[in-house]
Amino acid sequence: NAGVTQTPKFRVLKTGQSMTLLCAQDMNHEYMYWYRQDPGMGLRLIHYSVGEGTTAKGEVPDGYNVSRLKKQNFLLGLESAAPSQTSVYFCASKGHLNTEAFFGQGTRLTVV
Amino acid sequence: AQTVTQSQPEMSVQEAETVTLSCTYDTSENNYYLFWYKQPPSRQMILVIRQEAYKQQNATENRFSVNFQKAAKSFSLKISDSQLGDTAMYFCAFMKQLYIPNYQLIWGAGTKLIIKP
Repeated sequence: NAGVTQTPKFRVLKTGQSMTLLCAQDMNHEYMYWYRQDPGMGLRLIHYSVGEGTTAKGEVPDGYNVSRLKKQNFLLGLESAAPSQTSVYFCASKGHLNTEAFFGQGTRLTVV
Repeated sequence: AQTVTQSQPEMSVQEAETVTLSCTYDTSENNYYLFWYKQPPSRQMILVIRQEAYKQQNATENRFSVNFQKAAKSFSLKISDSQLGDTAMYFCAFMKQLYIPNYQLIWGAGTKLIIKP
């Protein structure tokens, strides 16, 4: 039982490059989320999805896009990376009737 | 808007001691959920304990317990008989309701807890 799996776990990008982070969950959860974690700020919600084919903006969506073509996958894209996007990114999923969110192990992204 | 405040950026205690981490929150909601998550150096976010606001009884999970003061909007975490493996960042989080589509956890900034041998 893998739970929530994020790939890659580490990545270094040059300013202006693009990349996609993949989140996969095997718990048949309806809700999926992308957060970023910065020192001293806790986690902030970037985008979320309440089901296949639907996405919505969170607290800090600028510079990111997402897609949820399949229920088990939630992709986070950076079209033109900026140094301000250097952060640790977490994916999470939650069932509709559950209180607990399950997290992936995070992706440390550095934009130089 | 809901906010969560953790006023202790860092704490350290000796192994086997008891430590209490503080969390306060601001909300106008009556029904909500509160959580403590642990993040060890591995970065994995692990749920430690949760509390439903409509329950008066404080939640406990083995060595972890909370002191939930609804009127004061306070939600502290007590760790008894602390162990080296408890060394981690601890985050307090608030969730407004369960059955809403735009579920969102509101997070505190975290407290770094160091357990010394």
